Amino acid sequence: DAKTTQPPSMDCAEGRAANLPCNHSTISGNEYVYWYRQIHSQGPQYIIHGLKNNETNEMASLIITEDRKSSTLILPHATLRDTAVYYCIVSSGAAGNKLTFGGGTRVLVKP
Amino acid sequence: DVKVTQSSRYLVKRTGEKVFLECVQDMDHENMFWYRQDPGLGLRLIYFSYDVKMKEKGDIPEGYSVSREKKERFSLILESASTNQTSMYLCASSFHPRQPQHFGDGTRLSIL
Repeated sequence: DAKTTQPPSMDCAEGRAANLPCNHSTISGNEYVYWYRQIHSQGPQYIIHGLKNNETNEMASLIITEDRKSSTLILPHATLRDTAVYYCIVSSGAAGNKLTFGGGTRVLVKP
Repeated sequence: DVKVTQSSRYLVKRTGEKVFLECVQDMDHENMFWYRQDPGLGLRLIYFSYDVKMKEKGDIPEGYSVSREKKERFSLILESASTNQTSMYLCASSFHPRQPQHFGDGTRLSIL
């Protein structure tokens, strides 16, 4: 599975949009991009995933570049409860579908 | 919403004990997974199962075994607990390999 690169941390103002970048320059054609977050002392929470089209759900939007080498997770109106570590993962979904969590981005939403 | 329930949030056991960690999901998912999470090492896959009575080794199966007798339940067994198995253990499930995995809240296991 391809490796991802994310900034280690970022701050965001409450009520503003949070844009979280992820680089996956070695992604292959059958690999999906998944985003998860983990709030302290809880299990990872699924946010959104996509293959090549942009996706939106009730939690966030996922923008994938045309060459698929990078993506951005957008939290449209960050709240204090969005403070967490956000993980960008690529996976082919083959048998086992192992998710490899890297260091993630520690997001702090400030009032 | 998918619900993945792990039997204990915190567990303390002694070296040499046989330890059972239980996981139940309520969404009729085919695939179930056990990971452990350690600071600086991220999540590492221990075992996974894609059907009842089926199991496959992940990246770090040594010292562990699993059991899947029913579709909704996936058990992780530490045959003889050791201190290096002190960790956060996370169970996950998914309907299909390309569908997202949904995680439980984890069991923080301490081996003394």
